[in-house]
Amino acid sequence: KAGVTQTPRYLIKTRGQQVTLSCSPISGHRSVSWYQQTPGQGLQFLFEYFSETQRNKGNFPGRFSGRQFSNSRSEMNVSTLELGDSALYLCASGRDGFGNEQFFGPGTRLTVL
Amino acid sequence: AQRVTQPEKLLSVFKGAPVELKCNYSYSGSPELFWYVQYSRQRLQLLLRHISRESIKGFTADLNKGETSFHLKKPFAQEEDSAMYYCALTLSGNTPLVFGKGTRLSVIA
Repeated sequence: KAGVTQTPRYLIKTRGQQVTLSCSPISGHRSVSWYQQTPGQGLQFLFEYFSETQRNKGNFPGRFSGRQFSNSRSEMNVSTLELGDSALYLCASGRDGFGNEQFFGPGTRLTVL
Repeated sequence: AQRVTQPEKLLSVFKGAPVELKCNYSYSGSPELFWYVQYSRQRLQLLLRHISRESIKGFTADLNKGETSFHLKKPFAQEEDSAMYYCALTLSGNTPLVFGKGTRLSVIA
C-alpha cells in the first residue's frame, strides 16, 4: 500500500510569511502526527490529530497550527515565519495512538530566509 | 517531563564487531519503548518495540526498568546497519512519542 506522502518536499520562504504543509496518511490510518526535526533539538512533537480532532499538542507557539480533514489528510500551518522555523517537518500516521507503529513520510524541508 | 537520552551522537564499529546503542529514559512508570531507524535516503521506520520482544535484523533490545534503559544490541555488525538510530517512548498509547536525539552508527568494513 502507498506510504505517507508529504507535499511540498522543499519550501523556501522569507521571514514574516506563512506556510502550509500537507500530509496524506496511509489509507485506513486515522492518527496523524507532526514533528519538527532540527540538528540541535532532534525530533520534537508538534501535534497529533485523530478523527479530525487535535488529540495531543506539543510545546510550540500558537503560530504553529494544524487541522485534519474527514479523509484523514492533514495540514499544518506556520504563520509569521521566523529564521528558527527552518527545519525538516515530518508527518507520521498510525492506526490508533502512539503504541502502534508510526509510519513516517519523507518530510518537507522548510528554509526561512 | 519524560526524557530519552542517547549519550552517543556517533558510534563507529568494525564489521563483525558487537554493537550496543545506549538509551536511557527518565520516567518511573511503565512506558512503551521503541527503536526507530533511518537508513541513508530512506524514511524513519520502526525497528523494534520492547513489547514484542522480537529480534529484527539481528537486533534485540531489553527493557531494564531498574536502570531505566533500553539498549539496542547486535552481536555482529554489518555494513548495512549503518544508519541513524532513535530511541523513543510513549507513556501510553495515546501520549506522544518522545524521541532521543539519535545515534549515528557507522560500520566500517
